[in-house]
Amino acid sequence: DAKTTQPNSMESNEEEPVHLPCNHSTISGTDYIHWYRQLPSQGPEYVIHGLTSNVNNRMASLAIAEDRKSSTLILHRATLRDAAVYYCILRDYSQGGKLIFGQGTELSVKP
Amino acid sequence: DGGITQSPKYLFRKEGQNVTLSCEQNLNHDAMYWYRQDPGQGLRLIYYSQIVNDFQKGDIAEGYSVSREKKESFPLTVTSAQKNPTAFYLCATRQGGSTNEKLFFGSGTQLSVL
Repeated sequence: DAKTTQPNSMESNEEEPVHLPCNHSTISGTDYIHWYRQLPSQGPEYVIHGLTSNVNNRMASLAIAEDRKSSTLILHRATLRDAAVYYCILRDYSQGGKLIFGQGTELSVKP
Repeated sequence: DGGITQSPKYLFRKEGQNVTLSCEQNLNHDAMYWYRQDPGQGLRLIYYSQIVNDFQKGDIAEGYSVSREKKESFPLTVTSAQKNPTAFYLCATRQGGSTNEKLFFGSGTQLSVL
């Protein structure tokens, strides 16, 4: 099974960086690591994804461990609008290759 | 304005009633998905469709039905057989291939039982 492990919740202060960890020790060599976030009462939105090397976009950075068994989503300067549930996701080939959403990490941002 | 439109935003179901949730997209994506989300939980896959006139059951398909007669539309019917239908329902489309995909979600429908 494609399984990820994330902390249930994290807190951050506004304007500070946030590092959201994810463990995925059973990842296969061709699995991309996907991150989505869900704001309250909304559908999830794509944040970033990567395979091996670190990735950056306008929303966040994704740091992938050399052995690919873990990754970290980095929000460089948290804002109040970044308060959301963040999902780290792999493809589950035992379920037809679908992206499987776990419970995610609920990030709260304090002013 | 491109995207996914789910309607209605709130829906109430009476005992023994079937209700249909609408999902329309203008992103020209082939694959579409229905997820259910219970409070404080992750998303669970109900049904998905890779192409018009074809769909497959997800993890929790019992008590639900779908159709995919047009590329743009993937309605979900919650039947009376679904005994615990109260949840937040999310429709999504997929862009990209099997190893490099991106999902786009609608804003959801909150279904409650009267």
